[in-house]
This record gives sequence, C-alpha cells and structure tokens, in this order.
Amino acid sequence: GAGVSQSPSNKVTEKGKDVELRCDPISGHTALYWYRQSLGQGLEFLIYFQGNSAPDKSGLPSDRFSAERTGGSVSTLTIQRTQQEDSAVYLCASSFSVSGLAKNIQYFGAGTRLSVL
Amino acid sequence: GQSLEQPSEVTAVEGAIVQINCTYQTSGFYGLSWYQQHDGGAPTFLSYNALDGLEETGRFSSFLSRSDSYGYLLLQELQMKDSASYFCAVEGGGFKTIFGAGTRLFVKA
Repeated sequence: GAGVSQSPSNKVTEKGKDVELRCDPISGHTALYWYRQSLGQGLEFLIYFQGNSAPDKSGLPSDRFSAERTGGSVSTLTIQRTQQEDSAVYLCASSFSVSGLAKNIQYFGAGTRLSVL
Repeated sequence: GQSLEQPSEVTAVEGAIVQINCTYQTSGFYGLSWYQQHDGGAPTFLSYNALDGLEETGRFSSFLSRSDSYGYLLLQELQMKDSASYFCAVEGGGFKTIFGAGTRLFVKA
C-alpha cells in the first residue's frame, strides 16, 4: 500500500478482554516495529521484526503481550487480559533498511487508540 | 540504562530560529534521528545523523557530536505549522530504537 495501515483506529474494550491490533506495512519493507505512546509521552519500544522473526522482544511489558508477523508482511499485536494501564496509542512503523550503515527511516501508521474500561 | 534527554517544551515566535537539544546515553549507537509529530498524527521522519557535523534539509538542520553524546535540531524561519512535538531517537544495539520523551514546540504569532 501507499503507507503503513493500522486497524482498528480506535478500540474500546473491557478490562480482562483480549484485543488484537493489526499493522499492514509498506510493501517491500522488511523491518517492522511496534511502539506504545501514552498521552503526552514519548514512544516506548515494544518489539521489532526483521522478516518474520523478532530478534528483540525485550520491550514487551509483560507476558500478556505477544506479536507475530506472517509472510514478511502483516503483523498483529495481541494483548491478553487487558488492564487499564494498557490504555495508550499503539503505533506501528516499517522501514526498508536495517540500522547500521544507512539511515533507517521509519514510516509510521496512524496508530490504534486503545481504551480499556 | 538507556536514556535520551530533551527539553519538555519550547516556545518561539513566528520567523524566529529555535534549537532543540538532545543528549543520549545508550549501550550502542548507530545514529541520531529526529521525528515530528502533530497532535493526533503519526510521527514523521525529519533528519538523521550518523557522523559528527551538521545535516541541512531546507529549514531544518540537525547536528551531532558523538564524543559529547549530544545532538540538536535547528528550525529556522519558524511557521505556525511547525507547532508540534519533536522526538530525538537513537538506534542502538540490537536494532532497538530508543525515543526521547519529546519536546513540545509552541510557535506564537
């Protein structure tokens, strides 16, 4: 697609329910990132994918959070047994190159605003 | 630990020049990036420095000093539309990108 697409744009759920957030990266981008942003705060790194593998899962806040990527494209972030502190905007980004020798420009989606009641 | 420090808010008038500083402490370093985010919008890439010195892109410039673990974003000829949050970000070891908490820029007429 033309840009990074995330769905849903807004999600309201009850405490204890599971939610699934979807990210469709820019076609051809091998790297995919998930971040969490609380109101007025910076971006908290959650997880990074290179292709379908996730070399670094250390940013996931707890074992209630998991993510997968299939076919080197679409990724889903799943939050089980949601808690009120999970309320935030979840941003996905993709990039063409991996960091190191060249600038790694990350292109962000508009995010999913998650509200846990 | 890994951290990036930047001012929380900066206010300037239209047409002026403003500098947003960023100091970092990370376990690895490949480069320093800057992103802009308008309220309710997605972050968008502005500039990147991997080597010491100044990079210029139109009204925006970015500077890096690796020996000082310091960089800044310089915005010239400020416009009202520049009112936004600006984030510095470091790509460190393990392909993890660490973002600062952001600097909220207010441009006044």
